[in-house]
Amino acid sequence: NAGVTQTPKFRVLKTGQSMTLLCAQDMNHEYMYWYRQDPGMGLRLIHYSVGEGTTAKGEVPDGYNVSRLKKQNFLLGLESAAPSQTSVYFCASSSPSRLAGTNEQFFGPGTRLTVL
Amino acid sequence: LAKTTQPISMDSYEGQEVNITCSHNNIATNDYITWYQQFPSQGPRFIIQGYKTKVTNEVASLFIPADRKSSTLSLPRVSLSDTAVYYCLVGLYNTDKLIFGTGTRLQVFP
Repeated sequence: NAGVTQTPKFRVLKTGQSMTLLCAQDMNHEYMYWYRQDPGMGLRLIHYSVGEGTTAKGEVPDGYNVSRLKKQNFLLGLESAAPSQTSVYFCASSSPSRLAGTNEQFFGPGTRLTVL
Repeated sequence: LAKTTQPISMDSYEGQEVNITCSHNNIATNDYITWYQQFPSQGPRFIIQGYKTKVTNEVASLFIPADRKSSTLSLPRVSLSDTAVYYCLVGLYNTDKLIFGTGTRLQVFP
């Protein structure tokens, strides 16, 4: 099993360009998440999904959109990239939890995005 | 929201026991405490999780006092490969959200 994979691994954008980051998981997990990690900081939740066709906002959703058309995929879109969105983006997935924080999240290897 | 506070960094030597303490003063009744490990250029990896008292698995122990306002991750006999950033998280009841703090950078020396 590949676990959680992310595409692409690296990307450089110019301000105003758009792009989509793809996350795929083969563990049949219901829940998927997108985080960003900036130097010297922990991970901050951008958006998440508790099932196919559903999405919800996290801590820092502005400037991003997501879609969960298939259970195994979670897409993160940047419509008009800004230098402030330069970061490392991590996708994660997990099984449903009866209580928040009790489900182990499995992370992908990350996508390093630079916006010039 | 339950916010966590951890030391920014710690140093240790191979073979020593390392204890990393996390403060979470306003933890809610149903919140669980989880620790993740992150190596450079990788995503975080689950280490251990607990609610109260003590939890032990094959790689670590987690100690949580009765008031649950803090917790301690214990790594027995660390090796060079334990050099990483360790995050303490508190799960927010009924939201499925995890709030990562800034983490503790552990450096293990030979």
